[in-house]
Amino acid sequence: EAGVAQSPRYKIIEKRQSVAFWCNPISGHATLYWYQQILGQGPKLLIQFQNNGVVDDSQLPKDRFSAERLKGVDSTLKIQPAKLEDSAVYLCASSLYRGGYEQYFGPGTRLTVT
Amino acid sequence: GQQVMQIPQYQHVQEGEDFTTYCNSSTTLSNIQWYKQRPGGHPVFLIQLVKSGEVKKQKRLTFQFGEAKKNSSLHITATQTTDVGTYFCAGLETSGSRLTFGEGTQLTVNP
Repeated sequence: EAGVAQSPRYKIIEKRQSVAFWCNPISGHATLYWYQQILGQGPKLLIQFQNNGVVDDSQLPKDRFSAERLKGVDSTLKIQPAKLEDSAVYLCASSLYRGGYEQYFGPGTRLTVT
Repeated sequence: GQQVMQIPQYQHVQEGEDFTTYCNSSTTLSNIQWYKQRPGGHPVFLIQLVKSGEVKKQKRLTFQFGEAKKNSSLHITATQTTDVGTYFCAGLETSGSRLTFGEGTQLTVNP
């Protein structure tokens, strides 16, 4: 079974630039999550999709972050414009359904904003 | 909002010693999950606890869920170098579907 795929693995941008991350979840997983993990901290949920609908985006900084999951499969997360404090690893995860189900994480995208 | 706290933040042990990390939630949880993240890696699911007072074992790892469903612990017996990594607990609120991760306990094992 293929795991969660993410690209790119690394990205370096200057502040005020924009960046996009892509995620392809495990086939058949209805729920997709985007997390932000700052060095030395636990993952923080940014947004959760159930199929192609948003379940929880209460912690997404909507003035600069946006995400979509067209057709209920893969997803993109965008930051525009980036700030220095956005430097982090962006993890995508998927699970069979939402709620108390095991989450499978992708390798993450390490973003450095200079 | 819900907060999940873990202690200690760091733990250094000699190979063969035991290790315990504790997790406390500010609210009652529906369930709690534990993940392990190796250095440079991504979180990997270890186990889920659902019932009050539940205890589960995986080889040298023992997981407990508190009676009030607000705290949990992970105990590793006789640590090995392969146990190195950061252990995260993640609590699921009773009222929602968001998993809130603790800050993690970083375990270092000296051979």
